[in-house]
Amino acid sequence: GDSVTQMEGPVTLSEEAFLTINCTYTATGYPSLFWYVQYPGEGLQLLLKATKADDKGSNKGFEATYRKETTSFHLEKGSVQVSDSAVYFCALSDQGAQKLVFGQGTRLTINP
Amino acid sequence: NAGVMQNPRHLVRRRGQEARLRCSPMKGHSHVYWYRQLPEEGLKFMVYLQKENIIDESGMPKERFSAEFPKEGPSILRIQQVVRGDSAAYFCASSPTEGQIVREQFFGPGTRLTVL
Repeated sequence: GDSVTQMEGPVTLSEEAFLTINCTYTATGYPSLFWYVQYPGEGLQLLLKATKADDKGSNKGFEATYRKETTSFHLEKGSVQVSDSAVYFCALSDQGAQKLVFGQGTRLTINP
Repeated sequence: NAGVMQNPRHLVRRRGQEARLRCSPMKGHSHVYWYRQLPEEGLKFMVYLQKENIIDESGMPKERFSAEFPKEGPSILRIQQVVRGDSAAYFCASSPTEGQIVREQFFGPGTRLTVL
């Protein structure tokens, strides 16, 4: 079945550092790919998405490119802030299936 | 436009009791999804419903769990005879999915169930 594998956390960085959180997927069809962020005690918020190969999703300085050849959707940000501290989830939705399949999440802590 | 609403936010039950979790989707959304998040884990799909219909329940445990989304009112996730392993955060999401087009899912704040 479909699956998503994320870089294990926790990840701790200093403010203004470069961030990469790796995400790879396995899917039988042509999935849409998502990054969600979860702040403490809250639900998930969509951060960015890409619906086909070579698409780049971007939002709030975060970017991820849909790489079909490597089945990856790595999340990057050039300069992180303390307010970026949260848990980040990579997810896919296979065409027609509607449901989201999530990775295990990566906890990110940014120190001032 | 109010977001997805879930209540209660926190629910404590003793083993053997019933838990009822409610979800009101965003206005105009007729598709509801339930996910469960165990401590320090990702979210796992449970069930996908449209008004009065269960579309996909492949992630629902076969026993004790049920879900509905009536024509009027919120979606309900019901857990009968709860056990400690049911302790988790339960998230509801809604979307304006149409046909085979995948739309963004908007998540509620979750209900944190604790079974004593």
